[in-house]
Amino acid sequence: RKEVEQDPGPFNVPEGATVAFNCTYSNSASQSFFWYRQDCRKEPKLLMSVYSSGNEDGRFTAQLNRASQYISLLIRDSKLSDSATYLCVVQEYGNKLVFGAGTILRVKS
Amino acid sequence: DAMVIQNPRYQVTQFGKPVTLSCSQTLNHNVMYWYQQKSSQAPKLLFHYYDKDFNNEADTPDNFQSRRPNTSFCFLDIRSPGLGDAAMYLCATSREGLERNEQFFGPGTRLTVL
Repeated sequence: RKEVEQDPGPFNVPEGATVAFNCTYSNSASQSFFWYRQDCRKEPKLLMSVYSSGNEDGRFTAQLNRASQYISLLIRDSKLSDSATYLCVVQEYGNKLVFGAGTILRVKS
Repeated sequence: DAMVIQNPRYQVTQFGKPVTLSCSQTLNHNVMYWYQQKSSQAPKLLFHYYDKDFNNEADTPDNFQSRRPNTSFCFLDIRSPGLGDAAMYLCATSREGLERNEQFFGPGTRLTVL
């Protein structure tokens, strides 16, 4: 079983749509959680941290369910520029981050 | 601007010919990482330095070595590249002591093995 699992997609959505990505992780001792964004042939960049209480940053909302070991990302009012791969990332012991393989989002006009 | 720089951006080598990838940072972060990312896969941690302390992942092949001569620089040496080592190699940095380990990535070096 993979440590961090994501639906690879691709999710093809029209501009303005709302889209949700899910992620599950296997290590119940995981400490912190993040969503990173990776554009084609570029490096990953931090999109947002994920907190137990849920958090929002503009059009993006992240949720964490520790009991179910489940993380989600909701994107409202999708823009063409949101097209990218979204990586679910879990911080385990010390400095180690474990990355999911990513979910591809394609927003079309 | 403070940043993570990787050179070269593209590297072509021959099967079995040693290659060195470099990473430098101006963020003054004490932790540096090397990841391997193959197409449509997650970045896979090879090893990291916590200050001068080297931490190797258990499944990183012996073919991969690293050096960190000072805080700013870190090198990835592939002693005998095989076809399966063709990938994007990402360097990242972070600062220990923060509750959340945000890592800052360089643009990567794409390695081709002929």
